[in-house]
Amino acid sequence: DAGVTQSPTHLIKTRGQHVTLRCSPISGHKSVSWYQQVLGQGPQFIFQYYEKEERGRGNFPDRFSARQFPNYSSELNVNALLLGDSALYLCASTLGRPNTEAFFGQGTRLTVV
Amino acid sequence: DAKTTQPPSMDCAEGRAANLPCNHSTISGNEYVYWYRQIHSQGPQYIIHGLKNNETNEMASLIITEDRKSSTLILPHATLRDTAVYYCIVRGYSGGGADGLTFGKGTHLIIQP
Repeated sequence: DAGVTQSPTHLIKTRGQHVTLRCSPISGHKSVSWYQQVLGQGPQFIFQYYEKEERGRGNFPDRFSARQFPNYSSELNVNALLLGDSALYLCASTLGRPNTEAFFGQGTRLTVV
Repeated sequence: DAKTTQPPSMDCAEGRAANLPCNHSTISGNEYVYWYRQIHSQGPQYIIHGLKNNETNEMASLIITEDRKSSTLILPHATLRDTAVYYCIVRGYSGGGADGLTFGKGTHLIIQP
């Protein structure tokens, strides 16, 4: 079975632009979470979606938004990009049942110039 | 979720057991201890989790003290491929599918040849 897949793997954008990152969870997983990891830090939680509804949100500005589709794939959108948005963006999927492990994709490396 | 404290870095000789400590003195009764690791520029990988009993799987063992205020992850025969940042995470009962993980800075484990 395929693991969590994210696209694209790398991306370069200019300040002020908009970006869309995509994630496909493991088959059968209904929950998707997004994380931002800047260099030298651990991943920071952005959003969690379960059954197409937002169930959790980290401390990120409204420029960050996400959605989950009927097939449980997800998109993370970031508007008005800042240099500080440069990071590795990680997607994780879980079954959505309590206390089950999360499986992470390889991430999308976003560079804002 | 309770806060965790880990040493920033550790060294271990190849072939020896690597013992990674984690302090979680404010853990509450329904919070689990999770361990993930992240090899450079890859997504985090789940290792093991437990509530109060010691746990073992094909990757590692998790020893939780009786008062649950600390735990140790044991990699029994460390190899060079185990060089990574190891994250200890305490997470409460996540009913309803809310699965956001709170990562700290972790322990950078370096396996020496």
